[in-house]
Amino acid sequence: DAGITQSPRHKVTETGTPVTLRCHQTENHRYMYWYRQDPGHGLRLIHYSYGVKDTDKGEVSDGYSVSRSKTEDFLLTLESATSSQTSVYFCAISAGGGFDEQYFGPGTRLTVT
Amino acid sequence: AQRVTQPEKLLSVFKGAPVELKCNYSYSGSPELFWYVQYSRQRLQLLLRHISRESIKGFTADLNKGETSFHLKKPFAQEEDSAMYYCALRGGNEKLTFGTGTRLTIIP
Repeated sequence: DAGITQSPRHKVTETGTPVTLRCHQTENHRYMYWYRQDPGHGLRLIHYSYGVKDTDKGEVSDGYSVSRSKTEDFLLTLESATSSQTSVYFCAISAGGGFDEQYFGPGTRLTVT
Repeated sequence: AQRVTQPEKLLSVFKGAPVELKCNYSYSGSPELFWYVQYSRQRLQLLLRHISRESIKGFTADLNKGETSFHLKKPFAQEEDSAMYYCALRGGNEKLTFGTGTRLTIIP
């Protein structure tokens, strides 16, 4: 497995609380991504980063924010969690430029009650 | 806008039978197409990409621009092929658009 870790791996939280998920890489790859995986929807891109402090929105960015202050860390924050954000969240990385594949982390299962 | 359609949510095939997982796409430029696979309790990983024109684990996929398709095929299914398969498209930037996935089950 590429050097990607996610923390926490499982989390249960209450509606309205803030939640931060962390993605950490040891590959020094430029690009980092956050996806959510839901039955019937597949993987949908939330946000991505193309460098330190450079981020952009994906197709389902509402209710999420991200930050990348170091190459190796990409944080996903749910400012005020809602039940619709119950999902499995995957981080991915890629070196970029052409046909580079994306390498995925193990996922974080988030339940918002 | 780019879009990937996988019409089958579930597909069951007997061991030894041929497998075809369908993928259609919508994109105005020249697409880059991929198949990703997620085996039980493993990470999502790249299976193959159209540019490589390679066979991985017996699977092949041909890009058909006329039909805007990138179907995944294997002539003889094996039990270890049971997994979730995602077709993905990259169009002009570093973002991937994934289909909704097909769960393939191989029946012994």
